[in-house]
Amino acid sequence: GIQVEQSPPDLILQEGANSTLRCNFSDSVNNLQWFHQNPWGQLINLFYIPSGTKQNGRLSATTVATERYSLLYISSSQTTDSGVYFCAVRNDYAGGTSYGKLTFGQGTILTVHP
Amino acid sequence: DSGVTQTPKHLITATGQRVTLRCSPRSGDLSVYWYQQSLDQGLQFLIQYYNGEERAKGNILERFSAQQFPDLHSELNLSSLELGDSALYFCASSPQWVNYGYTFGSGTRLTVV
Repeated sequence: GIQVEQSPPDLILQEGANSTLRCNFSDSVNNLQWFHQNPWGQLINLFYIPSGTKQNGRLSATTVATERYSLLYISSSQTTDSGVYFCAVRNDYAGGTSYGKLTFGQGTILTVHP
Repeated sequence: DSGVTQTPKHLITATGQRVTLRCSPRSGDLSVYWYQQSLDQGLQFLIQYYNGEERAKGNILERFSAQQFPDLHSELNLSSLELGDSALYFCASSPQWVNYGYTFGSGTRLTVV
């Protein structure tokens, strides 16, 4: 099945710093999402971005589907940004057991200190 | 509030028991997905239903089963529970079964003792 690799695995920042999280995937995708899992375990949908660029406040994301990667940018980080950031992809082109399956990366653990 | 409702939020039960987790999808969403998040396995896809029919199956154990009812809510049944089944179980929904973003519920934290 499709492989999803996220980097870095851990990131520690001071409040106000900027950061870039990366997601590489091994095959074509028809769905890519970025999620934030907060310390209470909730999975918050940040972006649905199978291609192109989107921005939402201090967050933005870019997916270059032809080169099989996506980037999540966090600017002016705040302590509430702490948590785990997941990239998840779906590849229905492969068929079989891959159909309908959203495959998650292992996540980037972000800690923002005041 | 994401619009996807999962109940209960927490569940503590003994080994060998059976539990049922419930999910109500966002209004208008026809697809429901179940995921398991454990510390050692990350987020794993279990099963997908679309408009009442099973559409895709992932790493779901034979002791686990699910269904989607005519009102589109879904239930995940876990039986003969083992300590290793302790995890966070998420339900997600999407409008159709391809090319749409998923919205996740807040999860059910299951602890098997």
